[in-house]
Amino acid sequence: QPVLTQPPSSSASPGESARLTCTLPSDINVSSYNIYWYQQKPGSPPRYLLYYYSDSDKGQGSGVPSRFSGSKDASANTGILLISGLQSEDEADYYCMIWPSNAWVFGGGTKLTVL
Amino acid sequence: QVQLQESGPGLVKPSGTLSLTCAVSGGSISSSNWWSWVRQPPGKGLEWIGEIYHSGSTNYNPSLKSRVTISVDKSKNQFSLKLSSVTAADTAVYYCAIIVVVPAAILTSVFQHWGQGTLVTVSS
Repeated sequence: QPVLTQPPSSSASPGESARLTCTLPSDINVSSYNIYWYQQKPGSPPRYLLYYYSDSDKGQGSGVPSRFSGSKDASANTGILLISGLQSEDEADYYCMIWPSNAWVFGGGTKLTVL
Repeated sequence: QVQLQESGPGLVKPSGTLSLTCAVSGGSISSSNWWSWVRQPPGKGLEWIGEIYHSGSTNYNPSLKSRVTISVDKSKNQFSLKLSSVTAADTAVYYCAIIVVVPAAILTSVFQHWGQGTLVTVSS
């Protein structure tokens, strides 16, 4: 199964933006896949945030603020979750996910700390 | 809104079989959705285990495929997980979830609702 690489941790201050990355292996082209993002807080199940395929094909989970957005960097074969206007409640673990071939694959997760 | 509730033994002996059930309420397991199991070892990340459609079609994580069976019981509106030959490495919180297809240009499915999860410890 492919490995999706996420930095183990990231931090930013309230009001700032956080850019979380999810790098796909070289044999999987990020341009060809939806990148899904999930948020998980301690003691709770994951929560679906959004998916991103392209600027014209993306979707937000129910009740997810527009501060959360997705994008891709094709040159780096990377999916990106951008959280703008950080709030203390955004402190959580964030997981990316793809469906490469009849099997879902999660990234290792990034722990976001809001300083 | 669909609600999911996992149940099953919290302690399983090594080499035994882990068995969990996910009860579905607020919706039918025969709806056009997939139903999935995901696990999370303590302090670690998420790992997809597998999924099932109400027809019985399944997909499994290749790394677990030889040990996993997921089944559906339409009469009880629930689906189940069996994981055989367990070791301490299978100790985890096990979640069930519903995978819903959303309107999009390409096939797009999201894990829309999750159970609260149940901790299963493998120990003698």
